[in-house]
Amino acid sequence: QVQLQESGPGLVKPSETLSLTCTVSGGSISSYYWSWIRQPPGKGLEWIGYIYHSGSTNYNPSLKSRVTILVDTSKNQFSLKLSSVTVADTAVYYCARSGYSGSPLSWIDPWGQGTLVTVSS
Amino acid sequence: DIVMTQSPDSLAVSLGERATINCKSSQSVLYSSNNKNYLAWYQQKPGQPPKLLIYWASTRESGVPDRFSGSGSGTDFTLTISSLQAEDVAVYYCQQYYTTAYTFGQGTKLEIK
Repeated sequence: QVQLQESGPGLVKPSETLSLTCTVSGGSISSYYWSWIRQPPGKGLEWIGYIYHSGSTNYNPSLKSRVTILVDTSKNQFSLKLSSVTVADTAVYYCARSGYSGSPLSWIDPWGQGTLVTVSS
Repeated sequence: DIVMTQSPDSLAVSLGERATINCKSSQSVLYSSNNKNYLAWYQQKPGQPPKLLIYWASTRESGVPDRFSGSGSGTDFTLTISSLQAEDVAVYYCQQYYTTAYTFGQGTKLEIK
């Protein structure tokens, strides 16, 4: 079955850009919608945005000005860039799949294991 | 954005007893064209990613025990665990996918009494 794995630096300095990559295995990225979701320590879930294999994107309005999600179908990967980070961006970042029945209006499954990114000088 | 509000924030239930978690959306998540509620439930255990339990408000994901059930329509939804097991201790989240700006409830922490 499809598995997702996040990778990237675990520590980012304030004002810099957070960059993460999600590698999809066990299936092709060339269908479905691929999301990033984050969870600050001890808090709830916040959807960041998604990308379709074609490259079309949709972002959370509250983060839109700082977020870029890209897809690399040749590597079966998609990535997240979050600019001008602050300590409030410290969170576990998950990548995940949605888009069942060919629509973005879908539940989210499966999820990667998540990676903790700490913003600190 | 659609705001999802869960109640209670935490819940303690005895083993074998029923647990009920509520989720209310700020607007209806029922599409009249197909009569489906665009709502999912997830279970998250410590140190793990969320696990899908239910979609379309009441469809159990494959492999999820039948003691988990979802109900409700429009703006008011319920996740019920009919007979609580020790392994059900977790935080539970609802999520709407009625719009492409997905939003989650704040979570309900379920413990053993």
